[in-house]
Amino acid sequence: NAGVTQTPKFQVLKTGQSMTLQCAQDMNHEYMSWYRQDPGMGLRLIHYSVGAGITDQGEVPNGYNVSRSTTEDFPLRLLSAAPSQTSVYFCASSRRISGANVLTFGAGSRLTVL
Amino acid sequence: GQNIDQPTEMTATEGAIVQINCTYQTSGFNGLFWYQQHAAEAPTFLSYNVLDGLEEKGRFSSFLSRSKGYSYLLLKELQMKDSASYLCAVREGSGGGNKLTFGTGTQLKVEL
Repeated sequence: NAGVTQTPKFQVLKTGQSMTLQCAQDMNHEYMSWYRQDPGMGLRLIHYSVGAGITDQGEVPNGYNVSRSTTEDFPLRLLSAAPSQTSVYFCASSRRISGANVLTFGAGSRLTVL
Repeated sequence: GQNIDQPTEMTATEGAIVQINCTYQTSGFNGLFWYQQHAAEAPTFLSYNVLDGLEEKGRFSSFLSRSKGYSYLLLKELQMKDSASYLCAVREGSGGGNKLTFGTGTQLKVEL
């Protein structure tokens, strides 16, 4: 079991460029989500999905798009990168335990926008 | 919305006990999580509380008081490898989705 796999691990972009952060999980989890982590800010939810074909916005969705065409994949698209999007991005998927959803995180993708 | 507060940093000695507090304000509490995150790594799940009381898991315990909006993570017999950031996260609402709100984390340093 690979768990949650994110690619790339590191990326440098110029302002205005677009890119996609890939996320795949092999645990058959229904729920997937994207967070960004910035110093002093904690993890903030960007977008999430409760199943294939269903996505919704989190706390900081502006500048990002997502889609969920399969259970396994949940890519995050930056349409026009800005320096404010420099961050570490974590994809996570969820299983249920005692009625809650426990997040399993990917290893993270460190993005720098110049 | 939610407001989650935890201390920014703590220092403790190897072999000792440390308590990391978390207070929260929420309109629809539905569970509190603790995650551990080592530097440059992904967060990993430690514990979950939805009812008042203490949950014990080996060296780690977590306590919840819903009426006080308060939780703590207790780490016993501290080891150097426990040096990490500890994240408190609150789940609000019910139904589908996994909208957790995270605190900014408490950086724990374990010293000899």
